Amino acid sequence: AQSVSQHNHHVILSEAASLELGCNYSYGGTVNLFWYVQYPGQHLQLLLKYFSGDPLVKGIKGFEAEFIKSKFSFNLRKPSVQWSDTAEYFCAVNGGNQFYFGTGTSLTVIP
Amino acid sequence: DAGITQSPRHKVTETGTPVTLRCHQTENHRYMYWYRQDPGHGLRLIHYSYGVKDTDKGEVSDGYSVSRSKTEDFLLTLESATSSQTSVYFCAISDGTGGETGELFFGEGSRLTVL
Repeated sequence: AQSVSQHNHHVILSEAASLELGCNYSYGGTVNLFWYVQYPGQHLQLLLKYFSGDPLVKGIKGFEAEFIKSKFSFNLRKPSVQWSDTAEYFCAVNGGNQFYFGTGTSLTVIP
Repeated sequence: DAGITQSPRHKVTETGTPVTLRCHQTENHRYMYWYRQDPGHGLRLIHYSYGVKDTDKGEVSDGYSVSRSKTEDFLLTLESATSSQTSVYFCAISDGTGGETGELFFGEGSRLTVL
């Protein structure tokens, strides 16, 4: 069965710290990979996506993610977080007609 | 933002009553999805549609039904609401499921409380 695992459930960082959120997926075919962000009280918005080509993908707000096919991973990174990055982050995989989401990582950035 | 409108945005109802949530899109996207979001579970797919009158079940479809009679509208119905269906429901749309076009756009969410 298809699945997405996010290993960090809750991360607390100080401003300017570096961020890496883990995401591993299980899917037998070609996949598209996504990171979505949900700010408090809002709907999910796309941060970045990978569908082919360069495995290092750059998204909005200084975020990037690297697709490592051999490890079935798509980790999200940001070199220096800001207080405004406080949000919940979801990794997702698109296989067939469906999109599968991880359980999310709650990020709190302390000023 | 993508043109997705969910209604109602908030609803409180009692156990055993029927509830219908509506998702309306102005993007003419083929695919529409209903997810529920619960703490510790992330987003779980309830049902989705890949065209008018074409729907399929997701991982948590028990107790829910859907209908899509027009491209722009996707209805989610709880025939007899239970407290376990208290959740935030998100509608999402996509114009494709592969390659450059495959991404989800989300509505603002509908918060349902079943007492």
